Amino acid sequence: QQQVKQSPQSLIVQKGGISIINCAYENTAFDYFPWYQQFPGKGPALLIAIRPDVSEKKEGRFTISFNKSAKQFSLHIMDSQPGDSATYFCAASYNYGQNFVFGPGTRLSVLP
Amino acid sequence: GAVVSQHPSWVICKSGTSVKIECRSLDFQATTMFWYRQFPKQSLMLMATSNEGSKATYEQGVEKDKFLINHASLTLSTLTVTSAHPEDSSFYICSARDTGTETQYFGPGTRLLVL
Repeated sequence: QQQVKQSPQSLIVQKGGISIINCAYENTAFDYFPWYQQFPGKGPALLIAIRPDVSEKKEGRFTISFNKSAKQFSLHIMDSQPGDSATYFCAASYNYGQNFVFGPGTRLSVLP
Repeated sequence: GAVVSQHPSWVICKSGTSVKIECRSLDFQATTMFWYRQFPKQSLMLMATSNEGSKATYEQGVEKDKFLINHASLTLSTLTVTSAHPEDSSFYICSARDTGTETQYFGPGTRLLVL
């Protein structure tokens, strides 16, 4: 129940295309869903986050879609750029962030 | 955004020695910090949760006598890998939870290589 599933494991997108990464969870206690971006040799950086009281959040080219009934959420990267090539982790937490679970990650490659 | 620093960024040591890694929240207070370990091409594995002024909580399978954690202030947590062995070689990442927003902010990581 504490797991967060993430797919695909790897993703190749052409420059300008849309990258879509999906995550699913079981524990309905989760109430905070952040996405992190990690470049090789660096720590993860917070990209965007959402709470279950909204179905969508957009920040620049990054959008989170949240489906509470399906217990799924996804990250959409519009107009993908080679600089977006990185590993993306979804995560979920509850109890004011005390219980924090990461997905296994998606390695995104954006071709020039 | 909030900044978390780690020091050192990389370290090479001989087997049997101890290595200390520092994690600092630079512009916010963090009553809770977390220590993760990451193997190549894998997700982050939570090792322990560090609470300021109290003992750390270790995840199952993590040896608390080997990975000593101290959280002496609201902006500093340290991880000491005692009697390091080659199998301890890994990428260690800390994070600090901003008490005001519950968001975790990650440090840049420390790469440890034990010879």
